[in-house]
Amino acid sequence: QKEVEQNSGPLSVPEGAIASLNCTYSDRGSQSFFWYRQYSGKSPELIMFIYSNGDKEDGRFTAQLNKASQYVSLLIRDSQPSDSATYLCAVNRWDNFNKFYFGSGTKLNVKP
Amino acid sequence: GAVVSQHPSWVICKSGTSVKIECRSLDFQATTMFWYRQFPKQSLMLMATSNEGSKATYEQGVEKDKFLINHASLTLSTLTVTSAHPEDSSFYICSARGPGNQPQHFGDGTRLSIL
Repeated sequence: QKEVEQNSGPLSVPEGAIASLNCTYSDRGSQSFFWYRQYSGKSPELIMFIYSNGDKEDGRFTAQLNKASQYVSLLIRDSQPSDSATYLCAVNRWDNFNKFYFGSGTKLNVKP
Repeated sequence: GAVVSQHPSWVICKSGTSVKIECRSLDFQATTMFWYRQFPKQSLMLMATSNEGSKATYEQGVEKDKFLINHASLTLSTLTVTSAHPEDSSFYICSARGPGNQPQHFGDGTRLSIL
């Protein structure tokens, strides 16, 4: 079982819709959760991080964390074609800050 | 904030050449830096983790003598690919994080092509 699982996609949504990206993790002791966006041929860039159960909003992005169910999701409201990218989920524990587990990413296509 | 600069962006060189890639944290102190390699349409692959002033910790299967990592200061780490061969051609990406519970911030990556 992988530490972090993501559906590889592609997830296709029409422009203006809400894109919902999901990530599950196996280590119940995970405490930090990160979402990165990676455009084709580019390096990942940090979008959001979340530590506590519940929702965290930043502009059009909302991260949702449910530790009991061991999943974290990223919602993108009013999706734009420029949001088309691969979204990577990463988790780590506070007793080992340097050990990050990355998912393999979900490819999102936003169609005009 | 949290800007990581990586140079060069592109390198094309002949087989047998050694190539050095620099990774700098511009506005924070990077207690830990990471080096990744990514082949086309594949996932990030962690090569090594380095803490300032310490030897790097390499992932299984990564040759220490071929991929030399130096993390001499809190703002600079270098990766040297020694005696590079065509199979070393890849996209190399560094990242850095500050102390405590901080996320990784990635550099723009270096595309290495060995002829």
